[in-house]
Amino acid sequence: DAGVIQSPRHEVTEMGQEVTLRCKPISGHDYLFWYRQTMMRGLELLIYFNNNVPIDDSGMPEDRFSAKMPNASFSTLKIQPSEPRDSAVYFCASSLGQYNEQFFGPGTRLTVL
Amino acid sequence: AQTVTQSQPEMSVQEAETVTLSCTYDTSESDYYLFWYKQPPSRQMILVIRQEAYKQQNATENRFSVNFQKAAKSFSLKISDSQLGDAAMYFCAYRTLLNSNYQLIWGAGTKLIIKP
Repeated sequence: DAGVIQSPRHEVTEMGQEVTLRCKPISGHDYLFWYRQTMMRGLELLIYFNNNVPIDDSGMPEDRFSAKMPNASFSTLKIQPSEPRDSAVYFCASSLGQYNEQFFGPGTRLTVL
Repeated sequence: AQTVTQSQPEMSVQEAETVTLSCTYDTSESDYYLFWYKQPPSRQMILVIRQEAYKQQNATENRFSVNFQKAAKSFSLKISDSQLGDAAMYFCAYRTLLNSNYQLIWGAGTKLIIKP
């Protein structure tokens, strides 16, 4: 299995631009999680899905952030408009069932200038 | 609310020696999962070991083992025969089994340095 796939691995953009991060979970997994990691705040859960349905988006920092999961094999996290304080590493993770561990993707390092 | 505390921002150990990373947590629940994840410089978060709270036996994975003290709410990770490849950030995490809440509560992490 290829594991969780994220793209791009690195993204550099200018303030005000739209940014879209992509994730392909492990095939067959029914939970998908989006995290943000910064030095200041550590690892934060932004949103998670179960069977493509958003379950808890209370971690999404503000309306500029949105996430979708149109099917079981693809999810996006969009930031519009982006701001320098959004600079972070964004991880996607997936798991099978409620009791199993989360498998993480390699992350996307986002830099907003 | 549950919290996870890793009191050691950084630890160092000589190659081939043993090191223990500490983790404490706060919860009123009786059943839950605890995890140790490793994040090397490549940034990939890798599961090291998992412990179910209802199991008294400490989990072990090769050179990695835990000391799970449920009453003390302590979940330390022991790495035996440390190797250079063990150098990474280590995160302790907690997950409830109640209310279909699948969030992981994360500690702040411990940076492990391996001295050759």
